[in-house]
Amino acid sequence: AQTVTQSQPEMSVQEAETVTLSCTYDTSENNYYLFWYKQPPSRQMILVIRQEAYKQQNATENRFSVNFQKAAKSFSLKISDSQLGDTAMYFCAFMNHNTDKLIFGTGTRLQVFP
Amino acid sequence: GAGVSQSPSNKVTEKGKDVELRCDPISGHTALYWYRQSLGQGLEFLIYFQGNSAPDKSGLPSDRFSAERTGGSVSTLTIQRTQQEDSAVYLCASSLAPAETQYFGPGTRLLVL
Repeated sequence: AQTVTQSQPEMSVQEAETVTLSCTYDTSENNYYLFWYKQPPSRQMILVIRQEAYKQQNATENRFSVNFQKAAKSFSLKISDSQLGDTAMYFCAFMNHNTDKLIFGTGTRLQVFP
Repeated sequence: GAGVSQSPSNKVTEKGKDVELRCDPISGHTALYWYRQSLGQGLEFLIYFQGNSAPDKSGLPSDRFSAERTGGSVSTLTIQRTQQEDSAVYLCASSLAPAETQYFGPGTRLLVL
């Protein structure tokens, strides 16, 4: 069975600084997808970034980038130039190509301070 | 365009009552998912609909839970004889096709007294 582990329950960062959130996963599959979702206090889950396992190039979306290490089964999220609006819970998620279900980690609560 | 919508936003019910939660996916999305988010269990998959295929019900926690998707669009999650442990946020998501990115609704917060 696939599992997703986020070992940092809480993180904090000062505005304009860079922060990295960790995620590891366990799977025997070769074809899968990885995601980072953000959940602000409004409760809405918002997609931050997506990575296909077959792609070697790390995904980037503006200030958000990932470090995908397939052999190590690691998928960390780097947020550059942190903004107050980045304050939220961040969930790492795994999806097997065959099952289409998202398996989530326990989340990291990120607080951005002015 | 419009995102995934869910209703009600909040629901308070008494133990033993039945509740229905509604999800309206993004227009044109063929796949629809229900997840539950609770303090004790985190985020967990409940059920998945894809087109006209039989739904994947493997995540439903008990036979008190059921869901249907009418006309390939709106979905209703029904919880019969609610229990206090059913208290959670119920999230719906839809995707354009299988293996595509899932987009979430705002959720329904259910409180069973």
